[in-house]
Amino acid sequence: GAGVSQSPRYKVAKRGQDVALRCDPISGHVSLFWYQQALGQGPEFLTYFQNEAQLDKSGLPSDRFFAERPEGSVSTLKIQRTQQEDSAVYLCASSERGSSYNEQFFGPGTRLTVL
Amino acid sequence: QKEVEQNSGPLSVPEGAIASLNCTYSDRGSQSFFWYRQYSGKSPELIMFIYSNGDKEDGRFTAQLNKASQYVSLLIRDSQPSDSATYLCASPGGTASKLTFGTGTRLQVTL
Repeated sequence: GAGVSQSPRYKVAKRGQDVALRCDPISGHVSLFWYQQALGQGPEFLTYFQNEAQLDKSGLPSDRFFAERPEGSVSTLKIQRTQQEDSAVYLCASSERGSSYNEQFFGPGTRLTVL
Repeated sequence: QKEVEQNSGPLSVPEGAIASLNCTYSDRGSQSFFWYRQYSGKSPELIMFIYSNGDKEDGRFTAQLNKASQYVSLLIRDSQPSDSATYLCASPGGTASKLTFGTGTRLQVTL
C-alpha cells in the first residue's frame, strides 16, 4: 500500500526565500508529525497534528516556521525568509493515532539546502 | 544532557558477528522504546519496539530494556553487510508520543 509521501524531495532556496514542503500521510492516519534532521543527527521534533488540529508546535525553531493540515490529511510546512541554518532534511511521519505504542511511519523526507 | 543518548560510532563488526548497539535515557518515566534503522539518504524504518523489561526477539534482532539502569540495547546476530546503516533509538513522550531520538549509531559490517 502507499506509504507517506513528501514533495519536493529536494529543494534549493536562496537565503530569504519562502519555501513550502508537502506531506501526504498514510490514508486514515490521524496523527501527523514533522521532524527536522540535521546531518549526522537524529530527527528533532517540530510539530504534531491530530486530524486538523495542531496540538503541539513546541519544536518549531522560530516564528518563521509554520505548519498546517487544514482538512486533516495533507500537511504543509512553510518556512519564511529561509536562513542557512534551516538547511536540513525535513521528515514527515504519520501514525494511526497518537499513542506510545503506535509506530510512526516516515516519509522519504525533503532535503532543503539554503544558499 | 540529551534525553536519549547513543554513541555515534562508527561501530565496525565483521560479517557473521554480533553487533551490540546501546542507548541510555534520562527520563525515568519513559515507558517504551523504538529502534529505527536509517540507510544513508533514506528515511528511518522501524525494526523493533519494546516496552517491557527484559528481552524481545524478532529474527536476528533482540531488543533489551533495563528500566532500573535506564538503558536499552539492540543486538544484531549474524551481522550482514546489508545491516550497515545508522540505528536510531527513540522514546515517545509528551503530546501524543512525539519521538525523542538519539543521535544514532553508525554500524559498519565488514566482509
